Amino acid sequence: GQQVMQIPQYQHVQEGEDFTTYCNSSTTLSNIQWYKQRPGGHPVFLIQLVKSGEVKKQKRLTFQFGEAKKNSSLHITATQTTDVGTYFCAGPDSGGSNYKLTFGKGTLLTVNP
Amino acid sequence: ETGVTQTPRHLVMGMTNKKSLKCEQHLGHNAMYWYKQSAKKPLELMFVYNFKEQTENNSVPSRFSPECPNSSHLFLHLHTLQPEDSALYLCASSQDGLADYEQYFGPGTRLTVT
Repeated sequence: GQQVMQIPQYQHVQEGEDFTTYCNSSTTLSNIQWYKQRPGGHPVFLIQLVKSGEVKKQKRLTFQFGEAKKNSSLHITATQTTDVGTYFCAGPDSGGSNYKLTFGKGTLLTVNP
Repeated sequence: ETGVTQTPRHLVMGMTNKKSLKCEQHLGHNAMYWYKQSAKKPLELMFVYNFKEQTENNSVPSRFSPECPNSSHLFLHLHTLQPEDSALYLCASSQDGLADYEQYFGPGTRLTVT
């Protein structure tokens, strides 16, 4: 079945440092979504990328979708303590279901003030 | 963020109990989902309902029984659970059940099975 893998699993940074998490799919994706889950919270939708090579920015967050539409990355510039949480990528299942979103295991980001 | 609400927020139940989780969405969406999130596993999709019809059952044991009376409400009926079923159960909704649409999650129910 389809796999969505994220690396690293954990990342600890000093406040002000940059952070990047990578997402790789075993199959080509029609789109990829990113979510953030704060500690003790629930996943919150951040963004969706659809086009090959697409780059989108949200303030200090930059999202990229690979040319082959099999990988994606999230880069945070100058992290702040408010960036703490787990970042998940998710893509539509390619195993025959149009209704299933497959989530990666997530990258837990901690920020030392 | 009160678009999707879940009750109760915390639940402790014995293995012989029967309980139900409730989810309500106020976003006018047509699809609703149940996910299970445990400590060391990614978000696991359990069920998908699209326009009140179940479109996905991700090989979930029969001790979990979903019910979707309308597009705004979703229930998860629980009976004879096992300790390994302890987890955070998240409800979500989206405009449509196709996986192309972003999902809005509720705060979750933290379930402990004793």
